[in-house]
Amino acid sequence: DTAVSQTPKYLVTQMGNDKSIKCEQNLGHDTMYWYKQDSKKFLKIMFSYNNKELIINETVPNRFSPKSPDKAHLNLHINSLELGDSAVYFCASSRRRLAGVQETQYFGPGTRLLVL
Amino acid sequence: ELKVEQNPLFLSMQEGKNYTIYCNYSTTSDRLYWYRQDPGKSLESLFVLLSNGAVKQEGRLMASLDTKARLSTLHITAAVHDLSATYFCAVDRDNDYKLSFGAGTTVTVRA
Repeated sequence: DTAVSQTPKYLVTQMGNDKSIKCEQNLGHDTMYWYKQDSKKFLKIMFSYNNKELIINETVPNRFSPKSPDKAHLNLHINSLELGDSAVYFCASSRRRLAGVQETQYFGPGTRLLVL
Repeated sequence: ELKVEQNPLFLSMQEGKNYTIYCNYSTTSDRLYWYRQDPGKSLESLFVLLSNGAVKQEGRLMASLDTKARLSTLHITAAVHDLSATYFCAVDRDNDYKLSFGAGTTVTVRA
């Protein structure tokens, strides 16, 4: 029944490792997002895909690579993890905005990444 | 770049009293969102405000939007303990899927 799910919920890893976070939504939305929330709770968008097409790519190190195999899934792969990558990563989804119709973004439970 | 400022950043409330959180943003937008985040949890959508003068209420929370002043307020009536959380406002722009979030207001309600 979970609308937006992420795996894993917790990820503890060593510097230099490569890791992936997966996101799935069952809301029938066509747009998905990755956000990063830092230790001060500040939320910033990283990427967004609409119908598997990358539409937002913020200033993010190219060690971060999103992939959307289909509209319901958006994964985030991180290469060569650094200490500063420690944060909570949230996936979100929404329906593409039609004229006069605004859709809320629904957030997943978050993945707490700790790089040691 | 769209900037979103919330104040206060921390708010200690006494049970039963009324309080207001303010959200100012730097560019024209007709779409403003309020989210709630409990510690260690995800973000839960509270309100979507879509036009100037929009007002929405749910329980003890009421949100309003003044697009001319670029200001939204979240009013809390008769605070109770289970309202303790961090509240975020977020704004997006026309033809832009990006939400720009405020820094969040951490609310603690004490007896």
